[in-house]
Amino acid sequence: GENVEQHPSTLSVQEGDSAVIKCTYSDSASNYFPWYKQELGKGPQLIIDIRSNVGEKKDQRIAVTLNKTAKHFSLHITETQPEDSAVYFCAASNQAGTALIFGKGTTLSVSS
Amino acid sequence: GAVVSQHPSWVICKSGTSVKIECRSLDFQATTMFWYRQFPKQSLMLMATSNEGSKATYEQGVEKDKFLINHASLTLSTLTVTSAHPEDSSFYICSARHPLQGAAETQYFGPGTRLLVL
Repeated sequence: GENVEQHPSTLSVQEGDSAVIKCTYSDSASNYFPWYKQELGKGPQLIIDIRSNVGEKKDQRIAVTLNKTAKHFSLHITETQPEDSAVYFCAASNQAGTALIFGKGTTLSVSS
Repeated sequence: GAVVSQHPSWVICKSGTSVKIECRSLDFQATTMFWYRQFPKQSLMLMATSNEGSKATYEQGVEKDKFLINHASLTLSTLTVTSAHPEDSSFYICSARHPLQGAAETQYFGPGTRLLVL
C-alpha cells in the first residue's frame, strides 16, 4: 500500500522567511496530493492540492511542487507570518473516492 | 461551501458506556465519508470508509463491532464507540468528499471530537 514520508518533523523560521516541507510517496499510481493545515484542537484545513498532471501550483504565498519521477512533492510558504504556525500534513491518494494516506506532520513555528 | 460539522465537539464518559459522534455535511451531499483517529502529536489514522446506504469498510486492525458506523443519509454519518475504554480516548475526525467542488478526491474535514474515557 501507499506510504507517505514527511520531513522535517519540526521547522522553526523567523517571520518573513520561507518554509519548505517535503514529502515522498511510494505508490507510483498516486495522483492526488493535498496539503492540510491543522491548528491545535481543530480539524485539518485544506490549503492547497495538486494532481499528477501538474508540476506546480501556486496560491498567493503558498505553492506546491510535484516531481512524479522522483515521487516527491513539496509545500513552499513564502513571507511566513506568525499565524502560519500550525501542524502541516501532506497526503496522497491514487483514486477518486479512496481515503487519503497522511504523512506524520510538520510542526511549523514562525517567530516574530 | 464544503462545510463539515461534528457533534459533539468533546465528550467525557465512563468506561463501559457507548458514545455516538455525528458527522454532517452542511451544504452538500456526501456519498462517501471517512473516519479518522488522531492521538496527541500524531498523524491521522484512517479507521473506516463510510458509504451512504452500504456497510462501512474498516481498515485493518479496527474492530467493526466496537466502532459502529452508520451512513444513513447523504449528509450524515455516525460513529458509535461501544463499551468505551480509556485507550479509546482520542481525537476523532471525519471528512467528506464534495462531489462537485475541487478535485474528485478532495476531502473536507470536520472540526473533530475529543473523547475522554474515564
